[in-house]
Amino acid sequence: GIQVEQSPPDLILQEGANSTLRCNFSDSVNNLQWFHQNPWGQLINLFYIPSGTKQNGRLSATTVATERYSLLYISSSQTTDSGVYFCAVEEDSNYQLIWGAGTKLIIKP
Amino acid sequence: DTEVTQTPKHLVMGMTNKKSLKCEQHMGHRAMYWYKQKAKKPPELMFVYSYEKLSINESVPSRFSPECPNSSLLNLHLHALQPEDSALYLCASSQVRGLAGDETQYFGPGTRLLVL
Repeated sequence: GIQVEQSPPDLILQEGANSTLRCNFSDSVNNLQWFHQNPWGQLINLFYIPSGTKQNGRLSATTVATERYSLLYISSSQTTDSGVYFCAVEEDSNYQLIWGAGTKLIIKP
Repeated sequence: DTEVTQTPKHLVMGMTNKKSLKCEQHMGHRAMYWYKQKAKKPPELMFVYSYEKLSINESVPSRFSPECPNSSLLNLHLHALQPEDSALYLCASSQVRGLAGDETQYFGPGTRLLVL
């Protein structure tokens, strides 16, 4: 089955810094989502991005489907950006998201 | 409205209790999901309903019993749970597959379950 790897596993930054999170996947996908899970457990959709580039405020994402990776950029980090960022892919429109292990981000004030 | 709601937020139950988790969405989605998430792990898929019919059961023990009474509601009935079933239970919804448009799964806030 498809493999999803996220890097780095942990990231500690000062408020105001920029960061890049990476998601590699082992086969072609027709769904790729980035999520932020806050410390209270809420999973928040950031992007649905099986290909191309999207931006939403301080966050942007790029998926290069032909090279099987996706990047999530966070600019001017705030403490509320802390939490775990998950990348999840769906291979055959079969409802089954395959999840990466996540990147734990801590933003220090 | 991209909201999925879940009740209760927290639940403590004994191993002999029967309880139910509830999930509701009003986005017109006809696919709904239950996930289980343990600490420091990604969510694990338990069940998928498509057009109110169970389409995926990921070999979940029978002490978990899902129900989809209509297109907006999803329940998870719990009976004779074990302490290792303590976890965050997440509900999600999406478009059914095979339709044009994005396949985003939208998640509720979860129910944090503790089995004593």
